[in-house]
Amino acid sequence: QVQLQESGPGLVKPLQTLSLTCTVSGASISSGTHYWSWIRQHPGKGLEYIGYIFYSGSTYYNPSLKSRLSISVDTSKNQFSLRLTSVTAADTAVYYCARGLDRYDHWGQGTLVTVSS
Amino acid sequence: DIQLTQSPSSLSASVGDRVTFTCQASHDISNYLNWYQQKPGRAPKLLIYDASNLQTGVPSRFSGSGSGTDFTLTISSLQPEDIATYYCQHYDNLPLFGGGTKVEI
Repeated sequence: QVQLQESGPGLVKPLQTLSLTCTVSGASISSGTHYWSWIRQHPGKGLEYIGYIFYSGSTYYNPSLKSRLSISVDTSKNQFSLRLTSVTAADTAVYYCARGLDRYDHWGQGTLVTVSS
Repeated sequence: DIQLTQSPSSLSASVGDRVTFTCQASHDISNYLNWYQQKPGRAPKLLIYDASNLQTGVPSRFSGSGSGTDFTLTISSLQPEDIATYYCQHYDNLPLFGGGTKVEI
């Protein structure tokens, strides 16, 4: 079955760069049948869409994060990644990777990233 | 920009109750509305897509209805494992989630 798994540091210092990777199993990113998304959830809050990538490398970013955000894909490793620069405490959240463009049918378990010195 | 308003923000019900909560869109979104269930400490799970289609593997006690601006998620007979927060979601230029309804027993 399709599984997604986030990985990366759980603690990032303010103004540094947050980097996460999502490893996909049970499905091939390079098949081109799905888009691959990042979504985050601030502690005790609702869900915020971050952006997506397609196997070709085409991306969409949430305008509120666009200036700090980069999403990339490595089809050879069946992974896609997120980089968020100049982080602040407001970026503290659980970060999820998910499959889909208009709806998200498979999600990673989520990883908590705390921004603190 | 479209906004999604869920109500109520929380509700308490008993096992076996029929539970209904709503999601209202600020503009007509046709049937482009999905529902998710999120249990504490877990990732959201897709329940309903395109307003009324049951995602594979989801129990039939869950159902969705509506179109345009008003949508409903119904649990026909609440079970203890249904304790969760439920989110509606719409895809436009920017995918958007509602604020959620927390269901307690």
